Amino acid sequence: DIVMTQSPDSLAVSLGERATINCKSSQSVLYNSNNKSYLAWYQQKPRQPPRLLIYWASTRESGVPDRFSGSGSGTDFTLTISSLQAEDVAIYYCQQHYSSPPTFGQGTKLEIK
Amino acid sequence: QGQHVQSGAEVKKPGASVKVSCKASGYTFTTYTIHWVRQAPGQRLEWMGWINAGNGDTRYSQRFQGRVTFTRDTSADTAYMDLSSLRSEDTAVYYCARGSSGIPRDHDAFDIWGQGTLVTVSS
Repeated sequence: DIVMTQSPDSLAVSLGERATINCKSSQSVLYNSNNKSYLAWYQQKPRQPPRLLIYWASTRESGVPDRFSGSGSGTDFTLTISSLQAEDVAIYYCQQHYSSPPTFGQGTKLEIK
Repeated sequence: QGQHVQSGAEVKKPGASVKVSCKASGYTFTTYTIHWVRQAPGQRLEWMGWINAGNGDTRYSQRFQGRVTFTRDTSADTAYMDLSSLRSEDTAVYYCARGSSGIPRDHDAFDIWGQGTLVTVSS
C-alpha cells in the first residue's frame, strides 16, 4: 500500500495569512501516460464528512473557493490556502487515487492563531 | 448536485452484524460506483471497497474480505453495507462516498459523501 504522510500534524495561522500543508507519498502517484498526479485533498469540519477540494493534485472541485490551490507532482504535494478565513478551520487530508487501495494521510489540523 | 443520506447510529454487541444504508439523490445512481470508507477514533480514513450501482459488481479491501457485503437497490437509489462478526475495533463512523470518475475502480477520488453513520461495538 502507498503510505501518505502529511506535515505538519497541526498548524495555526492568522486570519488573512497563507496556510501551507504538505503531503508526501511513499511512491510516485504520477501517471506518465497523461502526466497527471493522482492526489486529492479533502477538508473535514467537525461532525461533517470530508469534502473534496482538489483532485489530480491541482484541479479544484466545482464550488471550491479559489483561495484553495494544490501543487506538486510525483511524491511531494502542497495544499495552499492563500488567505485564511475563519470558515477554513478544519482537518485537511490528502489521498492518493493512483493505485489500490486508495489511502489517506493522517490529517493536518488547521486552526486560527 | 448530488446528496447521500445514511441511516442512523447503531450500537452492536461483539459478534453481531450491522447494516448501513446510503440513499442517493440528485444524480443518476446507476452510472456511478459507491465506495465505503470508515473513520475510527484517532485513526486515518480507511477504504473498505465499492459497489457498481449499475450492475452490482463489488470489490472489497483485503482487510474486510469475508466480513463485509455491499448491495444496492436501484429502485430506491440506495446502497447498503453489511459488516459481520463485529469487534470493538470496528467502532467507527462509516461513510458512503461516490467515486468521482464514474469508472468502476478502486483508486478514485470521492466527490459526494454521506453524513456518516456511527457504529459502536460494545458489550
